[in-house]
Amino acid sequence: EPEVTQTPSHQVTQMGQEVILRCVPISNHLYFYWYRQILGQKVEFLVSFYNNEISEKSEIFDDQFSVERPDGSNFTLKIRSTKLEDSAMYFCASSADVNTEAFFGQGTRLTVV
Amino acid sequence: AQSVTQPDIHITVSEGASLELRCNYSYGATPYLFWYVQSPGQGLQLLLKYFSGDTLVQGIKGFEAEFKRSQSSFNLRKPSVHWSDAAEYFCAVGLSGNTGKLIFGQGTTLQVKP
Repeated sequence: EPEVTQTPSHQVTQMGQEVILRCVPISNHLYFYWYRQILGQKVEFLVSFYNNEISEKSEIFDDQFSVERPDGSNFTLKIRSTKLEDSAMYFCASSADVNTEAFFGQGTRLTVV
Repeated sequence: AQSVTQPDIHITVSEGASLELRCNYSYGATPYLFWYVQSPGQGLQLLLKYFSGDTLVQGIKGFEAEFKRSQSSFNLRKPSVHWSDAAEYFCAVGLSGNTGKLIFGQGTTLQVKP
C-alpha cells in the first residue's frame, strides 16, 4: 500500500540552527501539506502546497519556515533558525485532490535544545 | 472561524463495551469530515470519511460515524471495543473548495480496560 514517508523520525537540534525535515509523498498525489503537533496539543495546519507553490499557510508559518519540492519526489520543510517553541511532531501529508482524504506520514519529532 | 470540538479529552471503556466519541464542528456549509487515529509513536491513520450521501459511514477496524447536520456533529462509534483500539482519536474538518487544509479537534485519548 502506498504511504507517505518522513525522515528522520527524530531530530535534535540546537536553538538557532537550521533544520530540514524531509517527506516523500505518495507518488501520484498532487497536494502536499505540513502539520505540527506540539506535545499535548492538537494537530495544527502549517502549509499546503500545489503546483510548486504555497496555496495556503497558517499564521504559524512565518518567514522562518519554507517548503520546497526540489526534485519531483521529495517535499521538504525548512526552519531557518529554530526556537525552543518549534519543538513538536511534524507531519507531512499528501492527497490526490484538494477534496479527497489526506494520507499522513509517521511524523518527525523535532526537539530544539 | 471554523472550529472542531471534541468534548471528551479522555475516555475509558472496558474491552467488549461499546464506544462513542463525540465531535462537533462549526462551519457555515457542510464540510468534509474525517476521523483519524494515532497509536503511540505512530502517524495519523484515516479511519473513515464523509463527503456526501449516506450520513452513516463505515470505516476500517469496525468503526462507523454518523453525520448529523442539525447537530453539526460527526460522532464515531464502535459496538465492541478491543484492547488494540487504545489510541488517540482525532476528528478533522476539511473545507470544500479549499486548499485541502484540515482543521483538527483536540483529540480524545481512549483507554481500554481488560
